[in-house]
Amino acid sequence: EVQLVESGGGLVQPGGSQRLSCAASGFSFSSYSMNWVRQAPGKGLEWISYISSSVTTVYYADSVKGRFTISRDNAKNSLYLQMDSLTDEDTAVYYCARDFYDSAGYARGVFDYWGRGTLVTVSS
Amino acid sequence: EIVLTQSPATLSLSPGERATLSCRASQDISNYLAWYQQKPGQAPRLLIYDASNRATGIPVRFSGSGSGTDFTLTISSLEPEDFALYYCQQRSNWPRTFGQGTKVEIK
Repeated sequence: EVQLVESGGGLVQPGGSQRLSCAASGFSFSSYSMNWVRQAPGKGLEWISYISSSVTTVYYADSVKGRFTISRDNAKNSLYLQMDSLTDEDTAVYYCARDFYDSAGYARGVFDYWGRGTLVTVSS
Repeated sequence: EIVLTQSPATLSLSPGERATLSCRASQDISNYLAWYQQKPGQAPRLLIYDASNRATGIPVRFSGSGSGTDFTLTISSLEPEDFALYYCQQRSNWPRTFGQGTKVEIK
């Protein structure tokens, strides 16, 4: 069974840093590209970052570029998000999400498995 | 950045009725559109990818159509468990973007 379990959320002061982790199991983690998607309280979904399976390619939303860093450790089946210079606009539930691959093995740029999310609250 | 606009914001229907949700893209995205369902307190669930392909395990009452800039998610006959939020998402360009969502509520 595919499982993605986020951790590392909590209360952080404006200007502070937080590191999120996502532990993956039930699939060959090293073969899949991964993403972080967030959802502010009562708001919609916002994709924020992508990392390829081999770590060669990363992308960020403009809203987090230069402040957040995505990384992964394929040996540990783990995905990370280092968040710096946090503001109250970063308050959200953060989900890790796996890229969907079709039967031919092509990534489809959509997300077939999601974790339950971890809440990050930026407040003084 | 590609903007996705969903309509209506809220759809009030009864079980057994047909639901038609719309998603319009700010530029041509071919068929690179997905639909998700989200229930309160839960992560989103992938329903449809590439405009019309049902994801694994998704009931046949869910169907998607469209290409270019205009897309539709249809739920042929609403079941009680279908009352939820629905989001569209494009994979044509980076950054990936989502629509603002359509809430399907019980009338």
